[in-house]
Amino acid sequence: GDSVTQMEGPVTLSEEAFLTINCTYTATGYPSLFWYVQYPGEGLQLLLKATKADDKGSNKGFEATYRKETTSFHLEKGSVQVSDSAVYFCALKTGGTSYGKLTFGQGTILTVHP
Amino acid sequence: DAGVTQSPTHLIKTRGQQVTLRCSPKSGHDTVSWYQQALGQGPQFIFQYYEEEERQRGNFPDRFSGHQFPNYSSELNVNALLLGDSALYLCASSLRREEYFGPGTRLTVT
Repeated sequence: GDSVTQMEGPVTLSEEAFLTINCTYTATGYPSLFWYVQYPGEGLQLLLKATKADDKGSNKGFEATYRKETTSFHLEKGSVQVSDSAVYFCALKTGGTSYGKLTFGQGTILTVHP
Repeated sequence: DAGVTQSPTHLIKTRGQQVTLRCSPKSGHDTVSWYQQALGQGPQFIFQYYEEEERQRGNFPDRFSGHQFPNYSSELNVNALLLGDSALYLCASSLRREEYFGPGTRLTVT
């Protein structure tokens, strides 16, 4: 079945540091890939997405590139801020964007210190 | 434009009881999915409703059931609650594209 594996956390960084959160996946078919962010006490917010190989999703300074050859979708940001502290989830969807189900990784807790 | 809303925000139930959670989708969205997020884990897909029918179901027992109404709102029902059902229950709505999540209902089973 489909699965997503994220790097083990938590991750603690100083403000303005470079961020990488690794994500690899296993899927039947050709999935769409997503990063969601969850702030304390809130639901999930879509951060970025990519729907085909070599696509780069980007939003709010975060980027991730769909790498089919390595089945990866690593999240990066060049300079993190304290406000980026949250839980980040990598996810995939098969069965079509319109009605597929999301399969999530276990989440990575990011804490950014001033 | 209101996003996805869920009620109640928090709920405490006793083992063996039944619970109903509610979700109103984002305006214009016709598909509702439910997810269970245990503490420290990623969300797990429960089921999805479209045109008042269950279209997909995850690996959850029959104790978990749902309903979608003509206005696209949805309910999640859980019977015979177990301690392991304690979790954040997330509703997500969509219209042929990415899903938008509500804030969730925190269910505690004692």
